[in-house]
Amino acid sequence: GAVVSQHPSWVICKSGTSVKIECRSLDFQATTMFWYRQFPKQSLMLMATSNEGSKATYEQGVEKDKFLINHASLTLSTLTVTSAHPEDSSFYICSARKLAGDINEQFFGPGTRLTVL
Amino acid sequence: SQQGEEDPQALSIQEGENATMNCSYKTSINNLQWYRQNSGRGLVHLILIRSNEREKHSGRLRVTLDTSKKSSSLLITASRAADTASYFCATAPLSGGYNKLIFGAGTRLAVHP
Repeated sequence: GAVVSQHPSWVICKSGTSVKIECRSLDFQATTMFWYRQFPKQSLMLMATSNEGSKATYEQGVEKDKFLINHASLTLSTLTVTSAHPEDSSFYICSARKLAGDINEQFFGPGTRLTVL
Repeated sequence: SQQGEEDPQALSIQEGENATMNCSYKTSINNLQWYRQNSGRGLVHLILIRSNEREKHSGRLRVTLDTSKKSSSLLITASRAADTASYFCATAPLSGGYNKLIFGAGTRLAVHP
């Protein structure tokens, strides 16, 4: 199997606070994890690629100081939304890459719904 | 935009009918994958088709890929109410070292009993 978990599954916070979301690969090691955000009825937008032991690679338009990513181990990546504002409210989904030859096979977590008041 | 396009955006059918969703993309790819997402949940991987493949089957799913047209289709046969979900195609571009997946806009499928 290839199971990815996220914690918390939902969080409500006040504007200006920081929120940390964890992404764990439970039964495999993941050198690469990905963070996406999804607005209602829209597709997934890749925010950043998280590489174990090195800095994350952010997509164009994503503020690296706003969305802090740490990939401290082969099974855990964290996304911290700093000084959250209502426009940061979204569904955040992580995925972990399991190498299968040259195939980029990603397994997705169940998502974290963030609501900023 | 990093996204490809999918059509239709929404599809409503009766149980037992077939559902066809299309996906177009912009760059050369290593492979294309289809995912399913139930409302407010994570994604479930359905099927992967490599760039050198033209058709692939998995149960009630049939996926085609036309790299010359940069398009793919997902066919769900004999649909069930439980198939109601959003379906996304995702491409693994050749550039970027097979690292990224670029998602299409998705098709929201509703299957009515």
